[in-house]
Amino acid sequence: AQSVTQLGSHVSVSEGALVLLRCNYSSSVPPYLFWYVQYPNQGLQLLLKYTSAATLVKGINGFEAEFKKSETSFHLTKPSAHMSDAAEYFCAVINQAGTALIFGKGTTLSVSS
Amino acid sequence: DTGVSQDPRHKITKRGQNVTFRCDPISEHNRLYWYRQTLGQGPEFLTYFQNEAQLEKSRLLSDRFSAERPKGSFSTLEIQRTEQGDSAMYLCASSPETSGRRGDTQYFGPGTRLTVL
Repeated sequence: AQSVTQLGSHVSVSEGALVLLRCNYSSSVPPYLFWYVQYPNQGLQLLLKYTSAATLVKGINGFEAEFKKSETSFHLTKPSAHMSDAAEYFCAVINQAGTALIFGKGTTLSVSS
Repeated sequence: DTGVSQDPRHKITKRGQNVTFRCDPISEHNRLYWYRQTLGQGPEFLTYFQNEAQLEKSRLLSDRFSAERPKGSFSTLEIQRTEQGDSAMYLCASSPETSGRRGDTQYFGPGTRLTVL
């Protein structure tokens, strides 16, 4: 079975500060991992995904994530936060059959000026 | 590529009424998914179609829920005899068919927000 845990339901940073959103996974098969962002009253947009190629994955809007098998982690980072980054972020793992994404509970990112 | 569209965006209904939502996937995407998202939670998988075939259903999809994709294009999700616990955002996603299914990106629509009074 697969699952993800997002540590911290709410993260607050100042504009220009480092963003770090944590995600740990559990998977009985090699994991394929995803980060999505959701703005208020909108659907989810893919930021980046790990599909067993490079362990450091670069995504849109300056975000990146590093797959660490030894730590079962896939944390999302951005060197410098922007006000427009304020949103809800979801980490997900695909199930073994490849038919369903299993999401964490999400982390709300707030950015202050 | 106009993206995944969903209709309506908002639906308010009274308990016991039936509601139907529509999803139009990205053209040529033969895989379609439905998810439900309640307040403060991540989306939860409901069901999966490949073309017109419904290949997987979650235990969350009770007998009051039915989904169809009659011609392998758009899909509908119907909830019969709605309950207050059905209040949620219903998200649709689609993905293209590739050789490596597990790595496919699912593209999400804006969702239909259901409120049951």
